[in-house]
Amino acid sequence: DVKVTQSSRYLVKRTGEKVFLECVQDMDHENMFWYRQDPGLGLRLIYFSYDVKMKEKGDIPEGYSVSREKKERFSLILESASTNQTSMYLCASRESHQPQHFGDGTRLSIL
Amino acid sequence: DQQVKQNSPSLSVQEGRISILNCDYTNSMFDYFLWYKKYPAEGPTFLISISSIKDKNEDGRFTVFLNKSAKHLSLHIVPSQPGDSAVYFCAASSNAGGTSYGKLTFGQGTILTVHP
Repeated sequence: DVKVTQSSRYLVKRTGEKVFLECVQDMDHENMFWYRQDPGLGLRLIYFSYDVKMKEKGDIPEGYSVSREKKERFSLILESASTNQTSMYLCASRESHQPQHFGDGTRLSIL
Repeated sequence: DQQVKQNSPSLSVQEGRISILNCDYTNSMFDYFLWYKKYPAEGPTFLISISSIKDKNEDGRFTVFLNKSAKHLSLHIVPSQPGDSAVYFCAASSNAGGTSYGKLTFGQGTILTVHP
């Protein structure tokens, strides 16, 4: 069974802080994704990675960056957190031609 | 712009009856569609999918219908059970050029409540 693990379920940070959200998958998947989920907006793609050290912007990359140094780990970075980045963040991974598998999410509050 | 739309924020159904969740899309390049179910405090879980070369796919109580000319898909749950109460998201992807890497565009979600 695919396991996608997000390091924190809940996180509270202050505006201006640099925030790291970590995601690890145990199935050697090449593709990994970061989404944010907001009421009435569904899930929106922030960044994705199709291989180690490879990344592409999604639909809403502004204010975020990512890092993929190892195949199993995909990190989302908020360079300088702002209150409008308060959201539920979801990580997913995928084998080619298969559906994405999601972690349980990190609820991030920026105060 | 919202390329995938679920126009019903919520749906309430009696146990044993049919639940029909709807989804519309605007991008004609989408060729693969999925439904995910999400319980509170959990990540979305994959439910069922359909390729654009088909118009119907069935898996147990769940059936997805695709109408390409109308750019519309629907998820039917028969019979509905209280455990089906969750948020349902439809999602779409395009394999144009083979470089999509499975990127998904999601709808806003529909909250389904199945009453005993």
